[in-house]
Amino acid sequence: GAVVSQHPSWVICKSGTSVKIECRSLDFQATTMFWYRQFPKQSLMLMATSNEGSKATYEQGVEKDKFLINHASLTLSTLTVTSAHPEDSSFYICSARDSGSGTEAFFGQGTRLTVV
Amino acid sequence: KQEVTQIPAALSVPEGENLVLNCSFTDSAIYNLQWFRQDPGKGLTSLLLIQSSQREQTSGRLNASLDKSSGRSTLYIAASQPGDSATYLCAVCNNAGNMLTFGGGTRLMVKP
Repeated sequence: GAVVSQHPSWVICKSGTSVKIECRSLDFQATTMFWYRQFPKQSLMLMATSNEGSKATYEQGVEKDKFLINHASLTLSTLTVTSAHPEDSSFYICSARDSGSGTEAFFGQGTRLTVV
Repeated sequence: KQEVTQIPAALSVPEGENLVLNCSFTDSAIYNLQWFRQDPGKGLTSLLLIQSSQREQTSGRLNASLDKSSGRSTLYIAASQPGDSATYLCAVCNNAGNMLTFGGGTRLMVKP
């Protein structure tokens, strides 16, 4: 299947700093990517839909100024957690579909963020 | 709003057993349904994708069925192995290119 690469796999940062997470589709183009968040022993919850060349669409309750999303190319979307706090500690996973064939969703490896 | 439920939440079985994981969804107007596997602290691995027009899909020891009208899907695992231990997630897509709505997952433990 298609490959989605997410980087970094884990990050520890101090409270108040910003963290950028990258999501790349390696062998296909994705006009739309999705960012999910997963708390321990819970399922994935959609945070936002990232659209190439336009503004992201955020789910209710997700602060767009805190979770900045940029989708500048057909193969790269970034999620920046600004002024991170301990409650932002979570597992963040991105997903993409091939714009050409696109029925199956592929996921990145996830990023474990710990804010201390 | 689509809601996806998975039963059971956790399952522990001895090696070799055949088992069934259940997934139900409230809005039957789906585009497709996917089953994923997630190992602790890892991302998601796609196992099977069933389009709305399909009844089932098979891959090795895995078989997934879909009954769209009743809002149900099952994942059948034959001859379970300790390596099958993981969390299995069911996710529904309502429109082409749209996001997935996930169930809460089933944590499976296969004991040697």
